[in-house]
Amino acid sequence: EDKVVQSPLSLVVHEGDTVTLNCSYEVTNFRSLLWYKQEKKAPTFLFMLTSSGIEKKSGRLSSILDKKELFSILNITATQTGDSAVYLCAVGVRTDKLIFGTGTRLQVFP
Amino acid sequence: DTEVTQTPKHLVMGMTNKKSLKCEQHMGHRAMYWYKQKAKKPPELMFVYSYEKLSINESVPSRFSPECPNSSLLNLHLHALQPEDSALYLCASSQDRTGGSEETQYFGPGTRLLVL
Repeated sequence: EDKVVQSPLSLVVHEGDTVTLNCSYEVTNFRSLLWYKQEKKAPTFLFMLTSSGIEKKSGRLSSILDKKELFSILNITATQTGDSAVYLCAVGVRTDKLIFGTGTRLQVFP
Repeated sequence: DTEVTQTPKHLVMGMTNKKSLKCEQHMGHRAMYWYKQKAKKPPELMFVYSYEKLSINESVPSRFSPECPNSSLLNLHLHALQPEDSALYLCASSQDRTGGSEETQYFGPGTRLLVL
């Protein structure tokens, strides 16, 4: 059975801290790994990763994939209160199917 | 523009009611999805339409009935729901280019449904 596991389940930090969120997976047909940020409603797309070792960056967020060890990390540097959200990792196993992890709930306090 | 719209934003219905959720995208995406999300859980896939044809039904009860009138619209018809069906219903769309890496799904804001 395809599985995506995220850790930690929740994280509480202060503004300015750096955090690392983890996503490991076991799937039969890996196509891509995606990160989403979900605040109150819709998950918003952050990154899609398909190749090992290539870091994707967007401002203070960055992510990298290791297809040999079957995991990805999402780093957020200099966290702000606006980063508070649930971060979802999803693995694409076919062009029209994503397997979601349970998410990491991040709370950033001033 | 990566916008997916959903209406209504909130819906309260009784167990004998019939209602519909609507989703629209104008990005030319050829795959559209319905997800159900309970509190503090990840989205669970319900249905996938690819090129206006139902391609995945994740064993969803028949009280949920999807419809794809055209490539931009996706409906979810609800009838005789149970209180445990209360959840956030998310619509998403993607490009669905076979062989490419265009499976990034873009989500709408969701409809928060309460069944009494």
